[in-house]
Amino acid sequence: GQQVMQIPQYQHVQEGEDFTTYCNSSTTLSNIQWYKQRPGGHPVFLIQLVKSGEVKKQKRLTFQFGEAKKNSSLHITATQTTDVGTYFCLNYGGSQGNLIFGKGTKLSVKP
Amino acid sequence: GAVVSQHPSRVICKSGTSVKIECRSLDFQATTMFWYRQFPKKSLMLMATSNEGSKATYEQGVEKDKFLINHASLTLSTLTVTSAHPEDSSFYICSARDMRRVSTDTQYFGPGTRLTVL
Repeated sequence: GQQVMQIPQYQHVQEGEDFTTYCNSSTTLSNIQWYKQRPGGHPVFLIQLVKSGEVKKQKRLTFQFGEAKKNSSLHITATQTTDVGTYFCLNYGGSQGNLIFGKGTKLSVKP
Repeated sequence: GAVVSQHPSRVICKSGTSVKIECRSLDFQATTMFWYRQFPKKSLMLMATSNEGSKATYEQGVEKDKFLINHASLTLSTLTVTSAHPEDSSFYICSARDMRRVSTDTQYFGPGTRLTVL
């Protein structure tokens, strides 16, 4: 079945370093959504990408959707301690709202 | 932005009792709501898709008689954990699909309910 693989599982960075997490699918995705979950909190919607090759930016965050719509990335420039949390990618597709989650990348930032 | 609420935020119950969790979309209508469960250190696991006015669609391995879902209105879905056992202790999260944004499939998550079964 359709799967979304997310790597890395964990990432430890020094404050100021960049961070990237990747989601890869074996099949074409209709869309990709990214969420951030702070420790102890609930997932918060960040962005949705739907177009092939789409790139969107939110301040220090850059989101990309691959040309083949099989992979996506989230890049954070110059990480801050407020960036800590787990970043999930999610594919939402199908009339029944079939949801496929990546397992998440847990980011820790050392001040 | 759109807000989804869940009630209660935390609940502790005795084994064998039933617990109802409410998920409400506060400023938009949602024909579809989703229920997730999160195990410690794991990603969210979709339990079921709740459609207003019809039966919920459960994911494989999720007992529909144990996790009763009712979506009675465009702003409310409920999840009832029946005859709860300690292994049901978890973080339950709902999300609601904004009808106005069907074309972009935007969902908003609730804050979650922490269930502890003693």
